[in-house]
Amino acid sequence: EAEVAQSPRYKITEKSQAVAFWCDPISGHATLYWYRQILGQGPELLVQFQDESVVDDSQLPKDRFSAERLKGVDSTLKIQPAELGDSAMYLCASSLAGAAGPYEQYFGPGTRLTVT
Amino acid sequence: AQSVTQLDSQVPVFEEAPVELRCNYSSSVSVYLFWYVQYPNQGLQLLLKYLSGSTLVKGINGFEAEFNKSQTSFHLRKPSVHISDTAEYFCAVSDVEETSGSRLTFGEGTQLTVNP
Repeated sequence: EAEVAQSPRYKITEKSQAVAFWCDPISGHATLYWYRQILGQGPELLVQFQDESVVDDSQLPKDRFSAERLKGVDSTLKIQPAELGDSAMYLCASSLAGAAGPYEQYFGPGTRLTVT
Repeated sequence: AQSVTQLDSQVPVFEEAPVELRCNYSSSVSVYLFWYVQYPNQGLQLLLKYLSGSTLVKGINGFEAEFNKSQTSFHLRKPSVHISDTAEYFCAVSDVEETSGSRLTFGEGTQLTVNP
């Protein structure tokens, strides 16, 4: 069964350092989402891609966060510089796209980031 | 804007007992409704969804939920729980009018703990 892949699974970094997360969606899924899940809370959407285009990044802290999906397939989320408050689980999800939606979002296992 | 309130942060139950996890939502437009389950250090898995039609929807693992438009609720139920149902459960909504994809707004989660 196809799955969303994420790496690394765990990342420990010092504040002010740069960190990057990678996501490979299910093949054929045009829509890709990055969520942040703070411990004890529900996931919050950071950015949504349709193919290689950003369709929603209203909740992305753009002074330190960036996301790209250059070829419309895999995606990278970067934080620079990391702050203590960035400690969270970063989840990637993908779905089909089109007018016949909504389509189920399939989630990867996440990357747990700890900033020290 | 939409919001989701999960009324119980923790629900402890004994094995084979029935359980109800409560979810209320607020939205100015029609919504789709979802329940996801998250096991420790894993991503989210879709349990069930309400898009239209019958207000009682059945999902995986014996779970079901009922959409009540007048009470803006979508409570999750299972008649007899197992130890393996211990997990975090998230209620989520998306805007029916959303044209750029199925953006989800999540509640803060309910930790279900099934005790022997």
